[in-house]
Amino acid sequence: EDQVTQSPEALRLQEGESSSLNCSYTVSGLRGLFWYRQDPGKGPEFLFTLYSAGEEKEKERLKATLTKKESFLHITAPKPEDSATYLCAVQAIGTGGFKTIFGAGTRLFVKA
Amino acid sequence: EPEVTQTPSHQVTQMGQEVILRCVPISNHLYFYWYRQILGQKVEFLVSFYNNEISEKSEIFDDQFSVERPDGSNFTLKIRSTKLEDSAMYFCASREIIQYFGAGTRLSVL
Repeated sequence: EDQVTQSPEALRLQEGESSSLNCSYTVSGLRGLFWYRQDPGKGPEFLFTLYSAGEEKEKERLKATLTKKESFLHITAPKPEDSATYLCAVQAIGTGGFKTIFGAGTRLFVKA
Repeated sequence: EPEVTQTPSHQVTQMGQEVILRCVPISNHLYFYWYRQILGQKVEFLVSFYNNEISEKSEIFDDQFSVERPDGSNFTLKIRSTKLEDSAMYFCASREIIQYFGAGTRLSVL
């Protein structure tokens, strides 16, 4: 069964304290892996797409990496405004096309 | 910056009533999606739509649900007879390459 698991469920950091969020996946026919940021009461906001193992993408304090079984979202020197839920999603081959499967997310709290 | 627009932002309905959730995707996008997120739970895929037909749907998307692109700009999700468990945030998304989400419609079924 296709599955996406994110850990930890919640992460509390001090401002400037770097850390990583994990997304492990088991899917057949991976087409792409996506990272989104979701603020309370809002829709997911696209951050990165990764397509193949070894690929890395960076944007400001965030860096996403991908292996054959998992992806990491590294946060370097986070600020309070980075507080949000970070969602990982994989796009995989479905019966009629492609389906997107989301993980439950990691809630990040960054304290000043 | 172009965005996916959803209306209404909050819909309250009685159990058994029909609701239509509306979305205006980004204009040059060809792929459209509906997702739902029950409070405190993960985002769940409902359906994808391309070339005026459903390309993929999940087990959640049963006969009570339907989608339509009635006029080339709007993309709607209809729930025929709402149940209490349909209460959730419903997100529309569209993509050319990157998938962009709307702000969502909160559906409350009483």
